[in-house]
Amino acid sequence: AQSVSQHNHHVILSEAASLELGCNYSYGGTVNLFWYVQYPGQHLQLLLKYFSGDPLVKGIKGFEAEFIKSKFSFNLRKPSVQWSDTAEYFCAVNAGYQLIWGAGTKLIIKP
Amino acid sequence: EAGVAQSPRYKIIEKRQSVAFWCNPISGHATLYWYQQILGQGPKLLIQFQNNGVVDDSQLPKDRFSAERLKGVDSTLKIQPAKLEDSAVYLCASSLDWQGPSTIYEQYFGPGTRLTVT
Repeated sequence: AQSVSQHNHHVILSEAASLELGCNYSYGGTVNLFWYVQYPGQHLQLLLKYFSGDPLVKGIKGFEAEFIKSKFSFNLRKPSVQWSDTAEYFCAVNAGYQLIWGAGTKLIIKP
Repeated sequence: EAGVAQSPRYKIIEKRQSVAFWCNPISGHATLYWYQQILGQGPKLLIQFQNNGVVDDSQLPKDRFSAERLKGVDSTLKIQPAKLEDSAVYLCASSLDWQGPSTIYEQYFGPGTRLTVT
């Protein structure tokens, strides 16, 4: 069965630190890849997505993610985090027609 | 444009009671999804509608859960009778379509309904 694995359930960083959140999936076919974010008290919203082309995709608020097909990975990165990045981040993979979700990573940024 | 609307935002019921959730998707969106998100987990798809037809309900516990989207717009999700393990956030999402050009697959989420079963 298809699955999505997010390596860390909780991450705590100081402001200005660099961020990398891991996401691996198990599916051998063509995939579309997403990162969603849920800020405290808000609903899930799309951060960035990959469908085809350049494997390095840029999203909102300075986030980017790199699709490495050989590693079945789609890691999320940000060079310098801010306190306002405190949120829960979900990786999701469109395998076939269903969107498969990771368990999420709670990111806390210390001011 | 208006987002996905859901009501109620919170609901507390006792086990064996029934409950219903309502969702109004973004205007023009053909596809509607209901997800269950248990604390500490990612969303799990319960049912997916394309207009008023069901695309996928393989993970819907049909002995107690039901959903409908009669006119291809609003949708309701019902649980009857509720169990303790149904405590979760129920998310509704919509997209322009679920297949075809990649840009129309993006899902837009509502605020969710937090259900507590005691």
